[in-house]
Order: sequence, then structure tokens, then C-alpha cells
Amino acid sequence: KAGVTQTPRYLIKTRGQQVTLSCSPISGHRSVSWYQQTPGQGLQFLFEYFSETQRNKGNFPGRFSGRQFSNSRSEMNVSTLELGDSALYLCASSVGTGGAFSNSPLHFGNGTRLTVT
Amino acid sequence: KQEVTQIPAALSVPEGENLVLNCSFTDSAIYNLQWFRQDPGKGLTSLLLIQSSQREQTSGRLNASLDKSSGRSTLYIAASQPGDSATYLCAVEQAGTALIFGKGTTLSVSS
Repeated sequence: KAGVTQTPRYLIKTRGQQVTLSCSPISGHRSVSWYQQTPGQGLQFLFEYFSETQRNKGNFPGRFSGRQFSNSRSEMNVSTLELGDSALYLCASSVGTGGAFSNSPLHFGNGTRLTVT
Repeated sequence: KQEVTQIPAALSVPEGENLVLNCSFTDSAIYNLQWFRQDPGKGLTSLLLIQSSQREQTSGRLNASLDKSSGRSTLYIAASQPGDSATYLCAVEQAGTALIFGKGTTLSVSS
């Protein structure tokens, strides 16, 4: 079974540009979530989608947005890039939506390394 | 606001040693706690998931415990090997949000 696939693996952009990152979840997984990882802040939650609907959103500015398609694939977009947006962006998928009786761990992709110059 | 702390931030041990990684959280109203492993430049690999009603989970040489009332979890690694070298992260899930992660413990096992 193929794992979570993120493209591209590496990306270099300049300040002010925008970027779109893509995530293909494991087949059959309907929940996709996005995280930003930096050395200083660690892993921070961006947003979570289930069946094309955003279920939760982290504390990030409106420049960060995402969407999920009917085939569960997801994209996230960052507009007007800033130097501080340089990070590893990780996508994760799971079978269910989590919750009190969840036994569905998250499966992560290898991430997209974004460098903003 | 939930805060997850992992101590120590880094740990170096010789091969064969048994070791314990610690994770603490401030709000006990969690759905579950998960332990992950991250190798350099890679994504996270799920190791163990403990539901809030459970006390521990085991997988091979790994055993994770959860004490929700005290806000603590431990990951026990038996007979450590150089291949166990990685960063270990714990995360809690609770209502209204996705996983909240600690900053991890970087483990180095020397042969």
C-alpha cells in the first residue's frame, strides 16, 4: 500500500511569492491534516480536512489556506511568502476523524521543505 | 491551553541499554496520546497510540504508558540499538483540535 505522498520535496521561493503544496493520502483515508515544523516552534497544526470539509484550523494567519478534493487529495497554499514561512510542511492522513474512540494513528508523508529567500 | 513537554531534549546511551523517554501534558481532557519517531529529513512514523481509557500499549521492544490524572506518559525502549537513533515525539489529541506535539527527545544510541 502506497504511503502518504507529498510533492514537491523541496521548494525555493522568494518573499512575496505564493506557493502550493500537494498531498496524496493513503488510499481509503479520508482525513488529511497539515503541520508546519520549524526548529524553534516544533510541530504546529495548520488545518484538518475530512470529506472536503475543514474540521479544525490552527492559529496561523489567513495567508495559509487549504482545500481537499473529492478523491481526498489535499493542497495547501501560502500567499505573500515571508522569510519566517521557511519550514518543513508535513501532511498526514488517517482513516477516521479521530476523537474519543479513535484507534487510527496518523500516517505522515516525508514533507515539503520550503525555503523562502 | 494544552502544553506538551518532553524531557530530556537529548539523550545518548550505549547499545543494549534500556531507556525511558518522558512526556507530560497540562490538560488531562485528552482523547489519546501518540508516540512518533522522526528520522532526519523525514516525516513521522507512528509507534504507539494509547486511548484515554487505556494504561499502556506495547509493540516489540517498545512500551508506552499513560497516567492521565497526572498528565504523564513514558516510552520505554528495551535493549536499545543504533537503529533506534532518531527524534521521538509525543502528541495528544483533544476535542476541537488536531494533535498537539511536544518538541521531542533526540536519542543517540552508540555501538
